[in-house]
Amino acid sequence: DAKTTQPPSMDCAEGRAANLPCNHSTISGNEYVYWYRQIHSQGPQYIIHGLKNNETNEMASLIITEDRKSSTLILPHATLRDTAVYYCIVRVHGGETSGSRLTFGEGTQLTVNP
Amino acid sequence: GAVVSQHPSRVICKSGTSVKIECRSLDFQATTMFWYRQFPKQSLMLMATSNEGSKATYEQGVEKDKFLINHASLTLSTLTVTSAHPEDSSFYICSASAVRGYTFGSGTRLTVV
Repeated sequence: DAKTTQPPSMDCAEGRAANLPCNHSTISGNEYVYWYRQIHSQGPQYIIHGLKNNETNEMASLIITEDRKSSTLILPHATLRDTAVYYCIVRVHGGETSGSRLTFGEGTQLTVNP
Repeated sequence: GAVVSQHPSRVICKSGTSVKIECRSLDFQATTMFWYRQFPKQSLMLMATSNEGSKATYEQGVEKDKFLINHASLTLSTLTVTSAHPEDSSFYICSASAVRGYTFGSGTRLTVV
């Protein structure tokens, strides 16, 4: 799986948009970008994933650059409950039948301030 | 959908005893499950891949005789920490591969005293 680089920490004001960057310059053509987050002392939570088109769901938006070497996770209106470690992971999308492992980097600690 | 239940959420045990952690996929079948360990202020470290009906695959440096994994059905994998020592105190998390990605359990905080 391609390696990712994320800033170790970021701050955001409550109610403002949080933009979390991720570099994945060695991404392969069949690798997807996944985002998970981990709130303190809980298991990671899936947020969103994408291949090359921008994606949006009820939690966030994912913007992937045209060359796919970087992406940005956007939380449009951050709340205090969005304070967590956010992980950007690049891997082949396998779904139920894949069985291939998911490895985590250090992630970005996002702190949303009141 | 795609819920993984992990039990117990917290356990304290005496040094030298064994502890079993269960991971269940509630609404889907999981041929493969994964076990992670997380120390304070660190990222998740993959320990092993659990395959239904076969032996688990352990990551380098993880003792297979100490961390026993059993995946006897498509909805249940167990991790047993044998002869636990204080250095085994950690946050253990299981995961299963579902349709849209990986779903994680809520984790087990193990404290060995």
